[in-house]
Amino acid sequence: AQSVTQPDIHITVSEGASLELRCNYSYGATPYLFWYVQSPGQGLQLLLKYFSGDTLVQGIKGFEAEFKRSQSSFNLRKPSVHWSDAAEYFCAVGAGSGGGADGLTFGKGTHLIIQP
Amino acid sequence: DGGITQSPKYLFRKEGQNVTLSCEQNLNHDAMYWYRQDPGQGLRLIYYSQIVNDFQKGDIAEGYSVSREKKESFPLTVTSAQKNPTAFYLCASSGGSSSYSNQPQHFGDGTRLSIL
Repeated sequence: AQSVTQPDIHITVSEGASLELRCNYSYGATPYLFWYVQSPGQGLQLLLKYFSGDTLVQGIKGFEAEFKRSQSSFNLRKPSVHWSDAAEYFCAVGAGSGGGADGLTFGKGTHLIIQP
Repeated sequence: DGGITQSPKYLFRKEGQNVTLSCEQNLNHDAMYWYRQDPGQGLRLIYYSQIVNDFQKGDIAEGYSVSREKKESFPLTVTSAQKNPTAFYLCASSGGSSSYSNQPQHFGDGTRLSIL
């Protein structure tokens, strides 16, 4: 069975500083990986996805993530955070052979706090 | 605009009652999903459906039931057998049901269920 670990429950970053959120996955086949963001009381918004090809993927809002098979990681990065980036961030892996057609397995999330 | 509509946003249930959460999408997506979110636990898959009149259990299906009579609709019933129903429930859909679709999931804004 697949699993996702987000080691950091909370991260505090100063506005304008760089950000890296960690994600490690366990999956026996080629993983389909996702990062989602959630504002309080809202649904999830897709930031970016990795299915195949270039291991550095670009997403919305200036985010990027790098897939490293040797480390089973898919870390999310942003060079300069804005106060509006404060939210909960979830890493997910797609179950089954359909890139998530059988549902996603989520990490427990990282709560990002932005200091002025 | 296309999207996923979940209603109501807040729902209260008395002990021993069944309650149904609505999920409607106008994205013409084949697959639909229900997730449960608890604080600090990430999202867990309850049920999913890749085609009309067919659905599969997820990781935590006990105490829940679903139907998929129309492509656009995937209601979730929380039955009295669900011993701890208080949670945030999220519905999602994706564009493909085949094993080669590799489509990301899009989420609704959720329904928060509380026990009176």
